[in-house]
Amino acid sequence: DAKTTQPPSMDCAEGRAANLPCNHSTISGNEYVYWYRQIHSQGPQYIIHGLKNNETNEMASLIITEDRKSSTLILPHATLRDTAVYYCGGGSNYKLTFGKGTLLTVNP
Amino acid sequence: NAGVTQTPKFQVLKTGQSMTLQCAQDMNHEYMSWYRQDPGMGLRLIHYSVGAGITDQGEVPNGYNVSRSTTEDFPLRLLSAAPSQTSVYFCASNLAGAYEQYFGPGTRLTVT
Repeated sequence: DAKTTQPPSMDCAEGRAANLPCNHSTISGNEYVYWYRQIHSQGPQYIIHGLKNNETNEMASLIITEDRKSSTLILPHATLRDTAVYYCGGGSNYKLTFGKGTLLTVNP
Repeated sequence: NAGVTQTPKFQVLKTGQSMTLQCAQDMNHEYMSWYRQDPGMGLRLIHYSVGAGITDQGEVPNGYNVSRSTTEDFPLRLLSAAPSQTSVYFCASNLAGAYEQYFGPGTRLTVT
């Protein structure tokens, strides 16, 4: 199973890009990289996933290194509502292993 | 659609008591999972199911039982609660061919 490591906290200025790193050096070749976020105590919310290629959707971009040992989630223009705990995870679409999360605080 | 629903929202148990955390989804999702969330530990997978009648263990299955008799429901049973099971429990579901898991609002369980 993939083990992931994330910094416990990060700050970002409103309107700037937030770049959240994740280390997943034990991820296997067929396991996907996932990102979810959790606002307050709500249930986690899916953001994006990828296997090898970089991915972009309406919420964020995911950059995966060529060796797949790490990835970066990019929120291009962070807003105050993006303040949350961001979880990086790895696995299949029915069995995920999450890291301990990064608390992103977006400051005005 | 109600999405993923969990009951109860809060529960306090005494050590040794048993209870069932309920999870239901109305999206016809094949896959369902249970996670627990503890401070500083992130989300850890307890059990998962890829369809009715099929369940398997996740990362932290000890002390928990599950069954999946219908597509819609995936209850989590604590047979003899222990203080170490004090946690927030989240249920999630997704389509077999999709990668986005939908999470419920959680059940906050305290075992004294």
